[in-house]
Amino acid sequence: DAKTTQPNSMESNEEEPVHLPCNHSTISGTDYIHWYRQLPSQGPEYVIHGLTSNVNNRMASLAIAEDRKSSTLILHRATLRDAAVYYCILSLIQGAQKLVFGQGTRLTINP
Amino acid sequence: GAVVSQHPSWVICKSGTSVKIECRSLDFQATTMFWYRQFPKQSLMLMATSNEGSKATYEQGVEKDKFLINHASLTLSTLTVTSAHPEDSSFYICSAMPGDRVNTEAFFGQGTRLTVV
Repeated sequence: DAKTTQPNSMESNEEEPVHLPCNHSTISGTDYIHWYRQLPSQGPEYVIHGLTSNVNNRMASLAIAEDRKSSTLILHRATLRDAAVYYCILSLIQGAQKLVFGQGTRLTINP
Repeated sequence: GAVVSQHPSWVICKSGTSVKIECRSLDFQATTMFWYRQFPKQSLMLMATSNEGSKATYEQGVEKDKFLINHASLTLSTLTVTSAHPEDSSFYICSAMPGDRVNTEAFFGQGTRLTVV
């Protein structure tokens, strides 16, 4: 199974952009890159996902390297509510498309 | 957006008893649901894949006789922790994806905190 590597923690200031990196050097050609985040004592929440092209939605942007071996989740203007653990996950296309979580990055936002 | 609901949100039970946790997809049908367990300060660990109308698929190291999964309808999966012990105390989370889409987002329940005393 292709795995992802993320920094354990990151810190940023409110209203500043945040770039959360993820390495996935063993990604296969059919793996999608998903990002989820988890606030304390809650289930994970979908953020964004993509395959090859960069993606934007109301929550964030996803920049995918040309060789797809890494990606970056971009929060354009962080708020205190963005403080969470962010997980970069490669979807395993094995019929059920299960998501296997790594350790994630704990993002702290300073006021 | 689509909602997955878990019940109960928290439960305290005595050691040796069984506890059932429900996971419902409220506005879509899900032929497959997933069950995770999360210990404090740790990531989610996938326990099993719940398949509607057939047996669940368990991850390596997860005891299928201890964690009984039933997926009797397209909107409901249940996880029963049998003969619970204090080491089973954890945060249990389910997820589901709409069955008619491929590589879309997964929707997670709010989680169930189980405390075994």
